[in-house]
Amino acid sequence: DQQVKQNSPSLSVQEGRISILNCDYTNSMFDYFLWYKKYPAEGPTFLISISSIKDKNEDGRFTVFLNKSAKHLSLHIVPSQPGDSAVYFCAASGYSSNTGKLIFGQGTTLQVKP
Amino acid sequence: GAGVSQSPRYKVTKRGQDVALRCDPISGHVSLYWYRQALGQGPEFLTYFNYEAQQDKSGLPNDRFSAERPEGSISTLTIQRTEQRDSAMYRCASSLGDARYNEQFFGPGTRLTVL
Repeated sequence: DQQVKQNSPSLSVQEGRISILNCDYTNSMFDYFLWYKKYPAEGPTFLISISSIKDKNEDGRFTVFLNKSAKHLSLHIVPSQPGDSAVYFCAASGYSSNTGKLIFGQGTTLQVKP
Repeated sequence: GAGVSQSPRYKVTKRGQDVALRCDPISGHVSLYWYRQALGQGPEFLTYFNYEAQQDKSGLPNDRFSAERPEGSISTLTIQRTEQRDSAMYRCASSLGDARYNEQFFGPGTRLTVL
């Protein structure tokens, strides 16, 4: 069973507009959430994270929102740039206490058109 | 400094052969993780080490899979008697520690194809 789900395989956005990537999780023991970004032929790289004690974390153009009651998080990219085109993975941890074991979603491919 | 490196980058093998995949973590990183990624999916946890100690191997699919990190640095993931279903991208990551806030740095992966 997929504990972390990204239901949109792909998303296409115009440059300058907002990109919103969504992620749902099922396990209420998760208490730390991350977004990773992956370019072709490279490994995933860390983008932004959020602890369950917060509902928002912002880093430049990237903001992650967490809705614990809905078990949902989203990544907002504003404004979107062509260089943001990549696969974005949502990940969660906390299932096993205090380890870095990550549970990943399936990924969403973002295309930002010039 | 150098990032996480993995070798080989590509491995093609015949069913029934054993393969060994190597991971060289970032120098000084205590924790080392192995993940497997099928096409169109996210990375799936296999196992992880703190120093040379294997802390969690709950993600290893069966006893054909094993991993070691004998000196607390380089790690090897070994798959014995490979099967076609083992074909995937195998990714290694390292971090300063295994606390959740320690960023995991991923290597480029080894693409394994079992014929």
